[in-house]
Amino acid sequence: SQQGEEDPQALSIQEGENATMNCSYKTSINNLQWYRQNSGRGLVHLILIRSNEREKHSGRLRVTLDTSKKSSSLLITASRAADTASYFCATLDSGYALNFGKGTSLLVTP
Amino acid sequence: SAVISQKPSRDICQRGTSLTIQCQVDSQVTMMFWYRQQPGQSLTLIATANQGSEATYESGFVIDKFPISRPNLTFSTLTVSNMSPEDSSIYLCSVAETGGQETQYFGPGTRLLVL
Repeated sequence: SQQGEEDPQALSIQEGENATMNCSYKTSINNLQWYRQNSGRGLVHLILIRSNEREKHSGRLRVTLDTSKKSSSLLITASRAADTASYFCATLDSGYALNFGKGTSLLVTP
Repeated sequence: SAVISQKPSRDICQRGTSLTIQCQVDSQVTMMFWYRQQPGQSLTLIATANQGSEATYESGFVIDKFPISRPNLTFSTLTVSNMSPEDSSIYLCSVAETGGQETQYFGPGTRLLVL
C-alpha cells in the first residue's frame, strides 16, 4: 500500500543550485529510504535513515527525518545535469515490504 | 550490496499470452519482492517471495494472474498470465539484506508492453 507522498511532484532547477524534496508518511516506521530512478529504469538506493536518526549525509545528499511530523526531506547540493531523475521515498514499517511515495521528478538544466 | 539481474529487459507481447520474468541475485537472500510500476506511477508491491514457502500476495494481486516461483535463495520468477494492455508496466524484483529490515536493492526492471 502506498504511504509516502512526495512534494513537489516536479522540480526544475539549474546546475549548481540545491534541490529539496519532501516526503510525508502516515504510520510509524522502522526506516525510510530514498531511491533514484533514471528514465524508467531500475531503482538506485541512495540513503537509508532509521527512525531513531534525525539527519544523515552521503556525499552531496542530506536527508532529514522528523518522526513527530512524519516527514523527511532529501537535499541535493550543487546539482548536476546527471541528477535529473525521479526520486522516491519509501518507508518500511514493522513488515518487510517498502511502501513507496509517488515520486518527485527532478530536472537539472545546464 | 547485492547485484540483481532481470530477464528479459523488455518485451512486447500480445494480449492473452503469458510472460515469465526471471530475477537472478549474485548472493543468497532470504527475501525477494516483486513490484509493478505502471506508466508514470510509483511502485506497487505485488508479492513477497520467500524460498521454501508460498508467495504472499498484496491486496489486488492473485496467484492465478501472477504466479511466482522461488526455487532457491538466488533466483525467482514472476509470470504475468493472460495479459491485457493494462498489464503494460515495468516489473521490478528486489531483495532485502539480512533480516529484511534494511536496505532493499532493485533489479534493472523488465519493461512490458502488451498490445
